[in-house]
Amino acid sequence: AQSVSQHNHHVILSEAASLELGCNYSYGGTVNLFWYVQYPGQHLQLLLKYFSGDPLVKGIKGFEAEFIKSKFSFNLRKPSVQWSDTAEYFCAVKNYGQNFVFGPGTRLSVLP
Amino acid sequence: EAGVAQSPRYKIIEKRQSVAFWCNPISGHATLYWYQQILGQGPKLLIQFQNNGVVDDSQLPKDRFSAERLKGVDSTLKIQPAKLEDSAVYLCASSLGFPGGGGTDTQYFGPGTRLTVL
Repeated sequence: AQSVSQHNHHVILSEAASLELGCNYSYGGTVNLFWYVQYPGQHLQLLLKYFSGDPLVKGIKGFEAEFIKSKFSFNLRKPSVQWSDTAEYFCAVKNYGQNFVFGPGTRLSVLP
Repeated sequence: EAGVAQSPRYKIIEKRQSVAFWCNPISGHATLYWYQQILGQGPKLLIQFQNNGVVDDSQLPKDRFSAERLKGVDSTLKIQPAKLEDSAVYLCASSLGFPGGGGTDTQYFGPGTRLTVL
């Protein structure tokens, strides 16, 4: 069965620092990959998604993610974080014909 | 466009009591999901509906949890009787849905119901 791991439980950064959140999954094949964000007090929102084509995907609010098939990874990046990026970030993977599997989440705290 | 609606937002019950949650998906979305999110963990799929049929309920504890989507629109999730370990946020999500489970299917989440079992 598919499993998703996220490297960091809690990341603390200062504003303007660069961000990279790791995501790895266990089972290959045709995968759809997602990053969701949950801001404090709000519901889960889609940040970006990869289905096919260019492995570098751009999402909302300046986020991007790179799909590296050989490494079973889909890391999330942002060159310069803002205080408003403080949130919990979830990676999710969906194999064809199977259900979504979410990672445990990474809590990002950005200090002003 | 209205999002996924859920009610209630919060519920506190004692163990062995029953509780029900309601979800209304985005209009036109054929697929509806119920997830359980325990504090500090990612969402875990409990059940997936395609219209009013169950696609996957392999992780639903069927001895105490039940769910229905009778008219293929809104859905209810019930726990009877509740246990302490059921304390979690119950999330409903919907998507357009594609036959066979492939394609570019994106889920949209509701605000969740936070359940506390005492």
